Amino acid sequence: GESVGLHLPTLSVQEGDNSIINCAYSNSASDYFIWYKQESGKGPQFIIDIRSNMDKRQGQRVTVLLNKTVKHLSLQIAATQPGDSAVYFCAENSGGSNYKLTFGKGTLLTVNP
Amino acid sequence: NAGVTQTPKFRVLKTGQSMTLLCAQDMNHEYMYWYRQDPGMGLRLIHYSVGEGTTAKGEVPDGYNVSRLKKQNFLLGLESAAPSQTSVYFCASSQLALGETQYFGPGTRLLVL
Repeated sequence: GESVGLHLPTLSVQEGDNSIINCAYSNSASDYFIWYKQESGKGPQFIIDIRSNMDKRQGQRVTVLLNKTVKHLSLQIAATQPGDSAVYFCAENSGGSNYKLTFGKGTLLTVNP
Repeated sequence: NAGVTQTPKFRVLKTGQSMTLLCAQDMNHEYMYWYRQDPGMGLRLIHYSVGEGTTAKGEVPDGYNVSRLKKQNFLLGLESAAPSQTSVYFCASSQLALGETQYFGPGTRLLVL
């Protein structure tokens, strides 16, 4: 899985399988988290977000889980499709006086037909 | 509703040349950002603006200047381009605070020779 500040990991899945992409964050004061999808040659695209007062949020085919105890965030994609192939990265609101988003480096998801 | 647009899409510069990257958003967002994205690294914030007429430095501001003369536009200038500024530049905007969801443009690929 991904961690803000580490190398770009990869995940390869078969079409139709479920995908789980992980992200570890370091700032316990972060209270808002976002998942972005970035296709090759394009800008990051918002997928789903979650606030720290929640531990799960669902969208269309995507679910984000937040475990504040271990500072871990995950993105689950159901019935993965070839169009889901992209780099996925998380962002956290770092809170405090430096109130801005901090982005992870991402995980490359490849969906095999 | 075009969202966030960037011009140009691609540019080649020689060392020492100057150029301006233009970002425009039609969502009436107060906050705008300029990032650079390099291989193996996450998005790094160059400069940002919390409203028309305001700008502030991000993580990597050296060698860049910005202006926000109109709410919908955010310009990024390189006064004397260096090879280290070869990168993909993304503009983003957000409606709420600095730590809220940001919407990205398609990017500008810059090559400095």
